[in-house]
Amino acid sequence: DAKTTQPPSMDCAEGRAANLPCNHSTISGNEYVYWYRQIHSQGPQYIIHGLKNNETNEMASLIITEDRKSSTLILPHATLRDTAVYYCIVRPYQTGANNLFFGTGTRLTVIP
Amino acid sequence: EAGVAQSPRYKIIEKRQSVAFWCNPISGHATLYWYQQILGQGPKLLIQFQNNGVVDDSQLPKDRFSAERLKGVDSTLKIQPAKLEDSAVYLCASSFGRIGELFFGEGSRLTVL
Repeated sequence: DAKTTQPPSMDCAEGRAANLPCNHSTISGNEYVYWYRQIHSQGPQYIIHGLKNNETNEMASLIITEDRKSSTLILPHATLRDTAVYYCIVRPYQTGANNLFFGTGTRLTVIP
Repeated sequence: EAGVAQSPRYKIIEKRQSVAFWCNPISGHATLYWYQQILGQGPKLLIQFQNNGVVDDSQLPKDRFSAERLKGVDSTLKIQPAKLEDSAVYLCASSFGRIGELFFGEGSRLTVL
């Protein structure tokens, strides 16, 4: 079962930062926070993951609160191609447990 | 680098018929997954393989669904007989090992009439 709570939908103006929140209040010490996105008619695509420190890559930044009970995915300059469903997933980092439990995610619409 | 290949992209069948989906993972990826995604929902794991062995098939409806990964490379997912509620996108994913990023194919969309 998904252990995360996300808003069902959000809008963002093109060129602005998109901030997608995720609540994971029951996260365990060995669980990472992963973000995937799914563009229409495509399979999910990995974005970023983190344990407790903030992370940044070429796609996005991940901000995790100090108590690790929530996080925010930041797309710094949203484009129309960022319109997708974004999934926040908590996942233990151990062998044999590489499954991903997807919830219903947040549908982000980037508006011109 | 070639991604995860799936076929067919679309399939329409009548209930009680059978269907098979094929997946070829990224070269060198030992772990392969089949997910089912019903419209409006997130993907749900059906089965996970490590090489040619099953790691997790607890969510696979074994009375009608079967999957195999002979030789530990490509895989086939079969549904027989199909029900209306099997209408969904069937996603294949692979990863290098049991830990790490999953790479998904574009999926096979099944419509059962």
